[in-house]
Amino acid sequence: NAGVTQTPKFRILKIGQSMTLQCTQDMNHNYMYWYRQDPGMGLKLIYYSVGAGITDKGEVPNGYNVSRSTTEDFPLRLELAAPSQTSVYFCASRPGQGAQYFGPGTRLLVL
Amino acid sequence: GQQVMQIPQYQHVQEGEDFTTYCNSSTTLSNIQWYKQRPGGHPVFLIQLVKSGEVKKQKRLTFQFGEAKKNSSLHITATQTTDVGTYFCAGRNNAGNMLTFGGGTRLMVKP
Repeated sequence: NAGVTQTPKFRILKIGQSMTLQCTQDMNHNYMYWYRQDPGMGLKLIYYSVGAGITDKGEVPNGYNVSRSTTEDFPLRLELAAPSQTSVYFCASRPGQGAQYFGPGTRLLVL
Repeated sequence: GQQVMQIPQYQHVQEGEDFTTYCNSSTTLSNIQWYKQRPGGHPVFLIQLVKSGEVKKQKRLTFQFGEAKKNSSLHITATQTTDVGTYFCAGRNNAGNMLTFGGGTRLMVKP
């Protein structure tokens, strides 16, 4: 199993540009999550999904959108990039109760 | 909303010294998880505690869950340079779908 994969690894955006961060898991996990981690800080939940077709907001959803059309994929969309969205973005999944498995992260710089 | 606080933020130790990080939640938790993040890496699951007063050991690491299920600790005996990283606690409330992460404790070990 590849586990949780994320693309791209690193991206530079200009203010106002849009992009989609991709996340795929091959473990057939129902639960998937998007977090952001600012330098030296903890993880903040952006959005999560408990299964295909179901998504919900986390702590910091403003400026982001998600969709979950399949069990495997959970893309995160930034519509109008702002410098405040400069961060490292982690996708994670879990099967039920228990461990979350994190992807390697996407480093985003908005200039 | 639920808040999870961790102390200390940083800890420098000499190799061979012990290390402890503490985690406190503003609300009662259904369970608590611990993760380790190496510099430049992603969080990796270490353990989950569920029962009030539970103590679990993994080699030199000892994890405790408080009697009131609102606090937890991670103790590392005789630190090694391989222990370097940031340790996060993450609490799950009774609704069960989201983890709230603490801010992390960054451990630095001098050889």
